[in-house]
Amino acid sequence: DTAVSQTPKYLVTQMGNDKSIKCEQNLGHDTMYWYKQDSKKFLKIMFSYNNKELIINETVPNRFSPKSPDKAHLNLHINSLELGDSAVYFCASSQGWGGMYNSPLHFGNGTRLTVT
Amino acid sequence: QKEVEQNSGPLSVPEGAIASLNCTYSDRGSQSFFWYRQYSGKSPELIMFIYSNGDKEDGRFTAQLNKASQYVSLLIRDSQPSDSATYLCAVKSGNTGKLIFGQGTTLQVKP
Repeated sequence: DTAVSQTPKYLVTQMGNDKSIKCEQNLGHDTMYWYKQDSKKFLKIMFSYNNKELIINETVPNRFSPKSPDKAHLNLHINSLELGDSAVYFCASSQGWGGMYNSPLHFGNGTRLTVT
Repeated sequence: QKEVEQNSGPLSVPEGAIASLNCTYSDRGSQSFFWYRQYSGKSPELIMFIYSNGDKEDGRFTAQLNKASQYVSLLIRDSQPSDSATYLCAVKSGNTGKLIFGQGTTLQVKP
């Protein structure tokens, strides 16, 4: 009965490779996010989709491309991986967007990406 | 100036004491404020949220918000070793709607 699940949990790959991380939520939420947490534990938003529409697209390299096939899924594809991409990537979901108050974020367990 | 600022710590308190975690934010239009707890190697989990000025209590936790001072805090009463974690303050930007996190404060509760 996992609410937000992402796969894989660990990803070790070499520079220059292309990899994908998948995320699914069964909470019925309409908004999903990708956050990156660096080695200093700083959580930074990367992308957000509301009802499959991209609503937040932070200043990240265009090697990162999100895709949301439906409201319950949000994937992240990364091309030409670099050493600096090593981090923990969290998927999250919430209900509602644009209002004064939002439901809190529910996070997945994270994907620890190590680029060697 | 960072959008959401927290002292990274570590903040060390003895078991049974009150732990006080603080957070300041720069966007005056912010309306929603959240506290998340993150254990090492785990994902952030919501502890509390607060929208209105004043205090909000939930068990051993009290969130305090002062919009005039752009300040939000989290008090943990009767701290337990199991409270040892990183506490993340998150603020929903009034301009962009984004949830912006602080860098987190590491709390250590010593038995």
